[in-house]
Amino acid sequence: DAGVIQSPRHEVTEMGQEVTLRCKPISGHNSLFWYRQTMMRGLELLIYFNNNVPIDDSGMPEDRFSAKMPNASFSTLKIQPSEPRDSAVYFCASTPGQGANEQFFGPGTRLTVL
Amino acid sequence: GENVEQHPSTLSVQEGDSAVIKCTYSDSASNYFPWYKQELGKRPQLIIDIRSNVGEKKDQRIAVTLNKTAKHFSLHITETQPEDSAVYFCAATDSWGKLQFGAGTQVVVTP
Repeated sequence: DAGVIQSPRHEVTEMGQEVTLRCKPISGHNSLFWYRQTMMRGLELLIYFNNNVPIDDSGMPEDRFSAKMPNASFSTLKIQPSEPRDSAVYFCASTPGQGANEQFFGPGTRLTVL
Repeated sequence: GENVEQHPSTLSVQEGDSAVIKCTYSDSASNYFPWYKQELGKRPQLIIDIRSNVGEKKDQRIAVTLNKTAKHFSLHITETQPEDSAVYFCAATDSWGKLQFGAGTQVVVTP
């Protein structure tokens, strides 16, 4: 298994542009999580899905952020418009089942907004 | 919601010595406590976890203890080696699997 796949691995964009981050969870995992990591705020949970349904999006910082999971093998996190303070590493993680289990992290997307 | 505090923020140890990282949590309903290791520029990876029905778990040089009454849990690394140098995160989760991470501990093992 290739593990959780994220793309792109690096993204550099200018303020005001739309950014779309992509994630493919491990096959058979039905819970998916989006995290943001910065030096100042550490690892923050943005949103998580169970069986493609958003369960908790209370961590999404503001309306500029949106996430979708159209099917069991694909999720996107979109930022529109992007701002310099959105610069961070964004991780996607997946886990089997709904309960508390090991979360498998993807390699992350390093986003830089100029 | 859950709040996890982690101490210390940095820890420097001599190779061969032990390292201990402590975490406290606030939600008594939390039932799963994983520890993740993150090397520079890499993803967090699980190194050990413990569930609320167990007080202690060991895997070679690493061990975790849990005190549910006091709502704290600790990571112990014995016989530290340079490759143990990394940032370690504790976390607590509810039955939905929603993880709340601690702020992390930067561990530096000096030869």
